[in-house]
Amino acid sequence: GENVEQHPSTLSVQEGDSAVIKCTYSDSASNYFPWYKQELGKRPQLIIDIRSNVGEKKDQRIAVTLNKTAKHFSLHITETQPEDSAVYFCAASSGNNDMRFGAGTRLTVKP
Amino acid sequence: GAGVSQSPSNKVTEKGKDVELRCDPISGHTALYWYRQSLGQGLEFLIYFQGNSAPDKSGLPSDRFSAERTGGSVSTLTIQRTQQEDSAVYLCASSFSSGNTIYFGEGSWLTVV
Repeated sequence: GENVEQHPSTLSVQEGDSAVIKCTYSDSASNYFPWYKQELGKRPQLIIDIRSNVGEKKDQRIAVTLNKTAKHFSLHITETQPEDSAVYFCAASSGNNDMRFGAGTRLTVKP
Repeated sequence: GAGVSQSPSNKVTEKGKDVELRCDPISGHTALYWYRQSLGQGLEFLIYFQGNSAPDKSGLPSDRFSAERTGGSVSTLTIQRTQQEDSAVYLCASSFSSGNTIYFGEGSWLTVV
C-alpha cells in the first residue's frame, strides 16, 4: 500500500517568513495529493490539493508543488502569520484506494 | 446532511467493555474512511469502504476492531474488550469517491479508564 513520509515534524518560523513542508510517497499510481490543516482540538480541514496532471498550484499565500518523477510534493506558505500555526498533514491517494497521510508537521509562527 | 456526523462526540468506558462509534457520511459520498488519532499524533488509517467493494481492513490494529457499513451509508466502528491504549480520537471521513477530497467529522473522543 501507499506510504507517505513527511518532513520536518516540527517547524518554527518568524512571522512574515516562509515555511516549506515536504512529503514523499511510494505508490506511483497515486494521483491526488491534498494538504490538511488541523488546529488544536479540531478536525483536519483541506487547505489545498493538487492532481498529478499539474506541477504547481497556488492559492493566495499557499502553494503546492509536485514532482511525479521523484514522487515528492511540497507545501509552501509565504508571509506566515500567527494564525497559520497548526499541524499540517500531507496525503496521497489514487482512484482505487484509500487516503494515506504523512505523520504531520507542527508549524509555529512566532509573532 | 451538511457534513460528516459522528456520535458519540465523547465516550468514557471501562477497560474490557465494548464500544460502538457511529459515522453518518455526507449524502452521496461513496467512500468512507476511519482514522485514529492519539493525542498529539498523526492520522492512523484503520479501514476504508468504497461503494459495494470489499472494505480495505489493512489498518485495523487487532481483531478487537471491526467496522461495517450498512446500505452504503452509515458506518459503525466497534471496539471489543477495550484497552487503555485504545484511548484516542476516532475520525471518520467521506468523499464522493476515492481519489477525491475527503471531509472529516468532528471525531469521537474515546477514553478507556
